Amino acid sequence: AAGVIQSPRHLIKEKRETATLKCYPIPRHDTVYWYQQGPGQDPQFLISFYEKMQSDKGSIPDRFSAQQFSDYHSELNMSSLELGDSALYFCASSPRTSGLGEQFFGPGTRLTVL
Amino acid sequence: SQELEQSPQSLIVQEGKNLTINCTSSKTLYGLYWYKQKYGEGLIFLMMLQKGGEEKSHEKITAKLDEKKQQSSLHITASQPSHAGIYLCGASLGGNQFYFGTGTSLTVIP
Repeated sequence: AAGVIQSPRHLIKEKRETATLKCYPIPRHDTVYWYQQGPGQDPQFLISFYEKMQSDKGSIPDRFSAQQFSDYHSELNMSSLELGDSALYFCASSPRTSGLGEQFFGPGTRLTVL
Repeated sequence: SQELEQSPQSLIVQEGKNLTINCTSSKTLYGLYWYKQKYGEGLIFLMMLQKGGEEKSHEKITAKLDEKKQQSSLHITASQPSHAGIYLCGASLGGNQFYFGTGTSLTVIP
């Protein structure tokens, strides 16, 4: 079965550089969520999109922005990278139902900021 | 996240033993999810519970949601080394935001 695809799987950047993380949801899933998990920490919700519109915003820094495209894939853009941005970034997708649906997670992108 | 408390924080068991992990919320859960994470790897969805009193099983893992929909337990029967990892509960507490529990680290000794 198709799963959530994230690219790249690993990324190394230097401070003050920019990074773009991509997420391809499961076919027919119209909702995408982004999470950040720092070393030894719980995942933190960043932002979500439904039908290409931002549906909710969590603890996402102003230096980050995200969008969902017409094919439902999503990109997380991170600028002026800081050492503290080093983390595992997860994307999850779900089909929109009457409530918050089952979430399927991608394998994550490990970002290292040097 | 302080919205969902998990216990215990860590667990070390001998292979073949049963174990239970709990997830507690002070608010009504609209959907309770259990995930497993191998160290440094992605999240694996295990089960979703939505109805009070609901119980689901998959292989040797059983999850229950209490009638009040504020507490869930994950029970592993006859644990194996492959069960080792971090177990996270997650839930929607209303609105469109999703919260994770504090996590339980499970070590299974062969």
